[in-house]
Amino acid sequence: EDKVVQSPLSLVVHEGDTVTLNCSYEVTNFRSLLWYKQEKKAPTFLFMLTSSGIEKKSGRLSSILDKKELFSILNITATQTGDSAVYLCAVRLSSARQLTFGSGTQLTVLP
Amino acid sequence: EPEVTQTPSHQVTQMGQEVILRCVPISNHLYFYWYRQILGQKVEFLVSFYNNEISEKSEIFDDQFSVERPDGSNFTLKIRSTKLEDSAMYFCASDRPSYEQYFGPGTRLTVT
Repeated sequence: EDKVVQSPLSLVVHEGDTVTLNCSYEVTNFRSLLWYKQEKKAPTFLFMLTSSGIEKKSGRLSSILDKKELFSILNITATQTGDSAVYLCAVRLSSARQLTFGSGTQLTVLP
Repeated sequence: EPEVTQTPSHQVTQMGQEVILRCVPISNHLYFYWYRQILGQKVEFLVSFYNNEISEKSEIFDDQFSVERPDGSNFTLKIRSTKLEDSAMYFCASDRPSYEQYFGPGTRLTVT
């Protein structure tokens, strides 16, 4: 069975801290890994990673994939209260288009 | 920026009733999906739809569920006879080849 595991399940930090969120996967026929931010309702897209070792960056957020060790990390530097959300990791297989999600990491950034 | 829209935002229904959840995917997208998220649990895949037919479905998507694209813009999920355990947030998503999936804001379904 395909599996996506995120850690930690929750994290509380103060504004300005840097955080690293982890996602490991055990799937057949890996195609890509996606990160989403879920604040109140819809997951909003952050990054899609298909190749190992290539960092994707958007402002204070960055992510990288290691296909040999089967994991990805999402880094957020200089956190702000607006970064408080659930961060979801999802994997897409080559054989099917649907996403398999992890349980998410609940990030709380305190002022 | 184009977005996926869903209606209604919240639906309350009685057990055994039929509900239809509606979605308008992004216009140039070809693949459409329904996912659900029971409170406090993972987002789970229900069904994918391409070229006017189901392409994949999960074990959750049993005979009480159906999907339809009745016209060129809407994509619907019908639950024929709702059960208490169908209470969840239902997300519609769409994408095109090699691109990320975009999710709608969701419909919260409450079955009483």
